[in-house]
Amino acid sequence: GAGVSQSPSNKVTEKGKDVELRCDPISGHTALYWYRQSLGQGLEFLIYFQGNSAPDKSGLPSDRFSAERTGGSVSTLTIQRTQQEDSAVYLCASSSPGGGETQYFGPGTRLLVL
Amino acid sequence: KNQVEQSPQSLIILEGKNCTLQCNYTVSPFSNLRWYKQDTGRGPVSLTIMTFSENTKSNGRYTATLDADTKQSSLHITASQLSDSASYICVVRGGGATNKLIFGTGTLLAVQP
Repeated sequence: GAGVSQSPSNKVTEKGKDVELRCDPISGHTALYWYRQSLGQGLEFLIYFQGNSAPDKSGLPSDRFSAERTGGSVSTLTIQRTQQEDSAVYLCASSSPGGGETQYFGPGTRLLVL
Repeated sequence: KNQVEQSPQSLIILEGKNCTLQCNYTVSPFSNLRWYKQDTGRGPVSLTIMTFSENTKSNGRYTATLDADTKQSSLHITASQLSDSASYICVVRGGGATNKLIFGTGTLLAVQP
């Protein structure tokens, strides 16, 4: 694949519903990051996967947020019981060990919680 | 507290003009500093990366500078084009145990014809 892909591109949901956001990193990239970008705010780190190591979950804002990375490739970010303040763009990025740590970002998923 | 502050928040310039965006950080220890360009509706794309020992780095019409003593960086755009309209984000990686990426809130640049 050419780059990092994310789906869906847009998601509108009702407060209280669960949502799943998907990220397909660049093939061969061992590191995968999830970020949240709220309107007028900087990117907020959520979670980081590196190979088979335990993920760095230090950025997850609450226990409603969780993420998995299966087979070292595709990742899913799950938000349970969504709240209106969860509305944001969720960005995924991947990087390779020998790539100078450059992160390649996907186009993001725009989540709107009504 | 590790912070990255950017200025101005937004900027409007005419096509063909030059501009300079500022980034001040308090991250310590410091590992590297990146500038990203984020087009509307797209993910950020890396423009430059500089480590402690580098003072300047160019990428086409983009030139980044770094003063690690004063903890300041700038991104200079020469002969701006309409396609330069985007948000420019400064990102600092902490060194040592503070191996985190800290993002600035960005400068929104609009280039007008």
